[in-house]
Amino acid sequence: EPEVTQTPSHQVTQMGQEVILRCVPISNHLYFYWYRQILGQKVEFLVSFYNNEISEKSEIFDDQFSVERPDGSNFTLKIRSTKLEDSAMYFCASSDFRASYNEQFFGPGTRLTVL
Amino acid sequence: QKEVEQNSGPLSVPEGAIASLNCTYSDRGSQSFFWYRQYSGKSPELIMFIYSNGDKEDGRFTAQLNKASQYVSLLIRDSQPSDSATYLCALSYNTDKLIFGTGTRLQVFP
Repeated sequence: EPEVTQTPSHQVTQMGQEVILRCVPISNHLYFYWYRQILGQKVEFLVSFYNNEISEKSEIFDDQFSVERPDGSNFTLKIRSTKLEDSAMYFCASSDFRASYNEQFFGPGTRLTVL
Repeated sequence: QKEVEQNSGPLSVPEGAIASLNCTYSDRGSQSFFWYRQYSGKSPELIMFIYSNGDKEDGRFTAQLNKASQYVSLLIRDSQPSDSATYLCALSYNTDKLIFGTGTRLQVFP
């Protein structure tokens, strides 16, 4: 069964450093998303991406964040200068939105720890 | 502010019983509703979605939607210890993002 994959599973970084989180969405999906979940809190939407551009972003997704689809399979989230409060689980998701009812399938997540 | 409300629990039910999980939402413009299961330290796993008023059944799971009351629920029949997890209610509007509730923790004891 096709699934979303993410690497790395755990990333530890120093405050102020740049990190890149990587995702491979399900191959025939066209819509890609990043969410985050701070420990003990709800899953929060960050950004959605379609047709090589951002379609929607949340207030959390400020200038420190960027997304990219560098090739036909990968989808990345970059945090330019990490802060302590960026520590969270980051989930990538994908969907075939327009063909269904926005069923989004999540990857296993990357746990980001900022020290 | 579009909100999704869930009782955090824990909801404790004995094995074999029916577990009933509830979710309310604030915006009548909500179009599609989703139930995800999340085991501790893992990612959300889609159980089912519903977009029309009424019931939708899939195996041991039944989702119920009442748009007039802004209420969606998930029933789990014949609950098993492996069903012990946090159940997340989510919704979407005509945009593509999902808005999640905080989740209800379900404990099924033998």
